[in-house]
Amino acid sequence: QVQLVESGGGVVQPGGSLRLSCAASGFVFSNFGMKWVRQAPGKGLEYVSVISYDGALKFYGNSVKGRFTISRDNSQNKLYLQMSSLSTDDTAVYYCAKESQAYSSSSLDSWGQGTLVTVSS
Amino acid sequence: DIQMTQSPSSVSASVGDRVTITCRASQDISRLLAWYQQKPGRTPNLLIHDSSILHNGVPSRFSGSGSGTDFTLTISSLQPEDFATYYCQQAKSFPWAFGQGTKVENK
Repeated sequence: QVQLVESGGGVVQPGGSLRLSCAASGFVFSNFGMKWVRQAPGKGLEYVSVISYDGALKFYGNSVKGRFTISRDNSQNKLYLQMSSLSTDDTAVYYCAKESQAYSSSSLDSWGQGTLVTVSS
Repeated sequence: DIQMTQSPSSVSASVGDRVTITCRASQDISRLLAWYQQKPGRTPNLLIHDSSILHNGVPSRFSGSGSGTDFTLTISSLQPEDFATYYCQQAKSFPWAFGQGTKVENK
């Protein structure tokens, strides 16, 4: 079955950087767009970034544009999120999620368990 | 950017009740809307995509409708396992956006 396992979260100081990873298995990773979605403590879901199945298209939420970079390695079945210039507003659980249909989709049918990023001095 | 507004933000209901949650988009999103359920401490689960298509394994008491800017999620007969927070999400254009969530609580 589909498995998405995030790693790389932790505590980082304001202005710092962090790289999140998501290891995927149980499906043909190279056929599916992938997303990062975050959830601040006690808050709702916020879209962070998307990357197309082939890595050619990338989009970002307004709050992270210019600071975060999404990438993928289809040979390793891995998704990444490079985060820089972090602020306390970036404190959240970060989920990687798989699009429901190959190549292009309008929903997310599998989510990892999330990795917590805490930005604090 | 497209904004999504859910109402109500919370609803108190009893087992067996019919529950309706609405979601409004700030512009026409056709039928490109999904609904998710999230229980405390758990990851979101896809319920419905493309406005009205039930995801695999989702009970038939859940249904979705709407197109354009106005959408509805209905739980026909609330079950104990349905107490959770529900989110809508538009996929018409990037950045995708979620509604702020509707918490279904036990009356």
